[in-house]
Amino acid sequence: QSALTQPASVSGSPGQSITISCTGTSSDVGTYAAVSWYQQYPGEAPKLKIYEVTKRPSGVSTRFSGSRSGNTASLTISGLQAEDEGYYYCSSKAGSFTLLFGGGTKVTVL
Amino acid sequence: QVQVVESGGGVVQPGRSLRLSCAASGFTFSSFGMHWVRQAPGKGLEWVAVIWHDGSKEYYADSVKGRFTISRDNSKNTLDLQMDSLRAEDTGVYYCARCRVAAGFNFYGMDVWGQGTTVTVSS
Repeated sequence: QSALTQPASVSGSPGQSITISCTGTSSDVGTYAAVSWYQQYPGEAPKLKIYEVTKRPSGVSTRFSGSRSGNTASLTISGLQAEDEGYYYCSSKAGSFTLLFGGGTKVTVL
Repeated sequence: QVQVVESGGGVVQPGRSLRLSCAASGFTFSSFGMHWVRQAPGKGLEWVAVIWHDGSKEYYADSVKGRFTISRDNSKNTLDLQMDSLRAEDTGVYYCARCRVAAGFNFYGMDVWGQGTTVTVSS
């Protein structure tokens, strides 16, 4: 199975909103409510920001929100802040017992 | 506090073996499925394997199937990854990560990650 498709980079100014897309197929993103989003700073471990498409773990800012339409999931960061700069990865269950990650998106705060 | 700590990385020649370990603490290890995820230098995340909370089932990415074996010892709160027939493309940082949901739904998010251990496959 191929990796999920994410844009290589997304940028925005402080205070703006940005959206990162994650495109899969009807065999993964489009079927399972198992889409997650992770934030990773260089040299650090990933951190869970969104799970089950739209849910935020305790402690994650409400500025982060998730959605899905068909085979594409999206992560929206509103009120962009300097600390949001980093890499973001989506993941989805694929088939019965496989997990796919997206290629990652570099978020730049201008 | 809830944490997982990987160890066992190093430099190994192609074709050789290496065993990674992950020590868990601060939570009931036997209640959670566990994953290994890796990241090649300068690249994105790649799922490697998952094991059920009770060790009853394990699944692998196609890229490592038949070469890697995931296992756990719930009495010692440890997770292992036995890596055989290593290739240059196996080089990267290996993370162990906890499934967000206890005893099921093992693909619905990973909420606790270690800092990773680095594996370099080179002659």
